[in-house]
Amino acid sequence: GNSVTQMEGPVTLSEEAFLTINCTYTATGYPSLFWYVQYPGEGLQLLLKATKADDKGSNKGFEATYRKETTSFHLEKGSVQVSDSAVYFCALTNAGNNRKLIWGLGTSLAVNP
Amino acid sequence: KAGVTQTPRYLIKTRGQQVTLSCSPISGHRSVSWYQQTPGQGLQFLFEYFSETQRNKGNFPGRFSGRQFSNSRSEMNVSTLELGDSALYLCASSFEAGNYGYTFGSGTRLTVV
Repeated sequence: GNSVTQMEGPVTLSEEAFLTINCTYTATGYPSLFWYVQYPGEGLQLLLKATKADDKGSNKGFEATYRKETTSFHLEKGSVQVSDSAVYFCALTNAGNNRKLIWGLGTSLAVNP
Repeated sequence: KAGVTQTPRYLIKTRGQQVTLSCSPISGHRSVSWYQQTPGQGLQFLFEYFSETQRNKGNFPGRFSGRQFSNSRSEMNVSTLELGDSALYLCASSFEAGNYGYTFGSGTRLTVV
């Protein structure tokens, strides 16, 4: 079936450090891949997405590249800020599962000044 | 444009009671999905409605039900509440389920005592 695996948190970084949050997936066919972010006390916001292999999604300095050969969609940011502290969720949708979102468990990021 | 609006934001109910949560999607969005978020289980898909029809259903007991109105607003109902139903319930809307990504509301925090 379809599944998403994220690196476990929490991740703690200093401001301006480089961020990588690993995400791998299992799916048949060609899923669409997403990163969502949840700030404390809020709902989920779409951060970026990629709908086909080798696509790079980017937003607010975050990037992720759809790698079909390694079934990965790792989230990266070159220089994190305190305001990036949140929980990050990797997710996929797939025509084979009627396009409902399949979620990773989330990775908590804390950025210290 | 207005985002996804969920009401109420917070709710406290007693075991055995029933509850109705409301979601107003972004204007023009026809797909509304519901998710349950708990610390132990993460994000789990409840159901999806499209043009007043339930199109997808997750693995939840029949106590969880929903509906969608002609204006795309959706409600979900939980009957005979259990302590384990305490969670953040998130609604997401999309023009069409799948590659477009979903816009989430801020959620309804339900506490069952």
